[in-house]
Amino acid sequence: DAGVIQSPRHEVTEMGQEVTLRCKPISGHDYLFWYRQTMMRGLELLIYFNNNVPIDDSGMPEDRFSAKMPNASFSTLKIQPSEPRDSAVYFCASSLKFLGRQGPTSSNEKLFFGSGTQLSVL
Amino acid sequence: KNEVEQSPQNLTAQEGEFITINCSYSVGISALHWLQQHPGGGIVSLFMLSSGKKKHGRLIATINIQEKHSSLHITASHPRDSAVYICAVRSINNNDMRFGAGTRLTVKP
Repeated sequence: DAGVIQSPRHEVTEMGQEVTLRCKPISGHDYLFWYRQTMMRGLELLIYFNNNVPIDDSGMPEDRFSAKMPNASFSTLKIQPSEPRDSAVYFCASSLKFLGRQGPTSSNEKLFFGSGTQLSVL
Repeated sequence: KNEVEQSPQNLTAQEGEFITINCSYSVGISALHWLQQHPGGGIVSLFMLSSGKKKHGRLIATINIQEKHSSLHITASHPRDSAVYICAVRSINNNDMRFGAGTRLTVKP
């Protein structure tokens, strides 16, 4: 498997423009996560999906951000309109399982990260 | 106070030295992850722990649930271990992930 694939690797855009980041999780993984990393705030979880359904979007900063997962092999994170403070590296990750309180944790919960998208909003 | 605290923030070592990076957290957790971020930015998940100890090659991770503390050890450190190491915990209450600020490790030849 090629791992988690994100595109584009780099995105430079002007304030006010719409930005769409893409992610292809590892085939067979039930969980997909979107993270943002900045120097000021470090890594933050934005949203995660289970079987294509958004489970927790409490980390999404505001209504300008939206994420979709139309099928098991594709997810998008959209920012509309973009602002300079959105500049960050956005990571997508997937895992086979994410049992939490429902069962014992295991190596199936290991996170696999994509290479990230470096977003610069001018 | 951050829910996940890592120490030290920066660490410089000579090749061959034994390295310890610490992570303390204040919330009840169901799992703790150690992540490695390479200078190029890529992130690799090293360990996922809920109890005890795990070992992979020269890397050892331990967790003490009662003390809310985890350590990542690197034996016989090598310059290629130079990276930022991030501790992340998953809250047992709401499955939220919380991240430490990271420890920047530089191993000199």
